[in-house]
Amino acid sequence: GNSVTQMEGPVTLSEEAFLTINCTYTATGYPSLFWYVQYPGEGLQLLLKATKADDKGSNKGFEATYRKETTSFHLEKGSVQVSDSAVYFCALKFQGAQKLVFGQGTRLTINP
Amino acid sequence: EAGVAQSPRYKIIEKRQSVAFWCNPISGHATLYWYQQILGQGPKLLIQFQNNGVVDDSQLPKDRFSAERLKGVDSTLKIQPAKLEDSAVYLCASSTGQENTEAFFGQGTRLTVV
Repeated sequence: GNSVTQMEGPVTLSEEAFLTINCTYTATGYPSLFWYVQYPGEGLQLLLKATKADDKGSNKGFEATYRKETTSFHLEKGSVQVSDSAVYFCALKFQGAQKLVFGQGTRLTINP
Repeated sequence: EAGVAQSPRYKIIEKRQSVAFWCNPISGHATLYWYQQILGQGPKLLIQFQNNGVVDDSQLPKDRFSAERLKGVDSTLKIQPAKLEDSAVYLCASSTGQENTEAFFGQGTRLTVV
């Protein structure tokens, strides 16, 4: 079936470290891929998205590339900040039916 | 532009009681989702509406959960009777319904069943 698998957390890094959060998916057709972020005490908000193979989504220094050959959409940031501490969710939206499915989330903590 | 509005923000009830949540999506958004997010897990889709029709309710526990979207705008999600395992945050989201567009989320309702 269609699903999203994320790297298990929690992840703890020091400020200015390089970040990768892995996300792989199983889907038929050509889904759209998203990263959402949930900051402490706040609702889910879109971080970035990619809608077709080889697209790169980027926002706030974060990037992710839609890799159809490896069915992956890994989230990366070159230099993390304390303010990036949050829970990150990978999600996919089925082509056609528009069903939106989430991974289990990865909690990221950045220490000064 | 106003976001997705949900109420109440918090609710505490005893098991076997009933509860209802309300959602007002972004104006003009055809697609409305209800998710259940248990602590430490990702959001799980309960039901998806396209206008006032149900697109997917395969994971909705229909013996106790019900949802409606009258006139294709506001939506309510009801639980009757509640169980302890229903304790979670209930999220409402909406999107335009067009291909490749993102969903916008409300702040959620945190339900505690005691």
